[in-house]
Amino acid sequence: QVQLVESGGGVVQPGGSLRLSCAASGFSFRTYGMNWVRQAPGKGLEWVAFLRADASNAYYGDSVKGRFTISRDNSKNSLFLQMNSLGVEDTAIYYCARPIEGDRTVPFDHWGQGTLVTVSS
Amino acid sequence: SNLLTQPPSLSVAPGQTARITCELNNIGSRSVHWYQRKPGQAPVVVVYDDTDRPSGIPERFSGSNSGNRATLIISRVEAGDEADYFCQLWDNSLDHVLFGGGTKLTVL
Repeated sequence: QVQLVESGGGVVQPGGSLRLSCAASGFSFRTYGMNWVRQAPGKGLEWVAFLRADASNAYYGDSVKGRFTISRDNSKNSLFLQMNSLGVEDTAIYYCARPIEGDRTVPFDHWGQGTLVTVSS
Repeated sequence: SNLLTQPPSLSVAPGQTARITCELNNIGSRSVHWYQRKPGQAPVVVVYDDTDRPSGIPERFSGSNSGNRATLIISRVEAGDEADYFCQLWDNSLDHVLFGGGTKLTVL
C-alpha cells in the first residue's frame, strides 16, 4: 500500500535552516508529482510547494518562495524540503502529499503523518 | 492566506442535507476538490473535479460548481459525517494550490 513517511522536523531558532524528508513506498514514485503542505497551530492547511515527477518544474507558495526549496531523488523514492531563513510563522506540521494521478497537481489521495517544525528562540 | 472562502461552521440535523460552500471569483472555471478530515486522521477526498466521487465514497456526497461558488452537498446526513470539510483547487494562473479555510460540520 502507499506510504509516505516524513522526517527531519524539530526545534530550530529563527533564521535557522532545516531539511525535511519524505520516504515514499508502495507506488511508482518517479511517475508522480509531489507536494508539501503545512498546518500551523490552530490554522488551516497551507500549500507549500509542488515538484513535477521529473523535477522539471517546481512551484511555491508565496510565503515560502525564495526561502524553501523542494527537491527529490527518484532513485531513492524520496522527496525533500530545504527550509532556510525560518521564522516563527513557519512553525507547523509539514506533510508530504501525493496527487490522485501522476501528471496532476491535485487532489491529494495520500498524505504522510506529518513532521512537526517548531521555530523558537 | 486562504483565498477560498468557506463558512467556519455548519450545523445540520441527521437526515437533513448539508450544503458547504466555497467561494472565489470565477471559481466555476476551475476544478474544485473537497476533503473530509476527522480529528487525528489524514484528509480524505470525497468529491474531486467538481462532481466526481472516488470509489468507496457514498453517493450521498456530491458537488456542484458554477459562477463564483462551489458547493459540497451531503444528503441524508449521518452522525459519522461530523468532520471538517475543506475545498481545494489548482490555480493555473498563479501556479498555486489554494485551500479553503475549512468548515466544521456538526451533526445535531
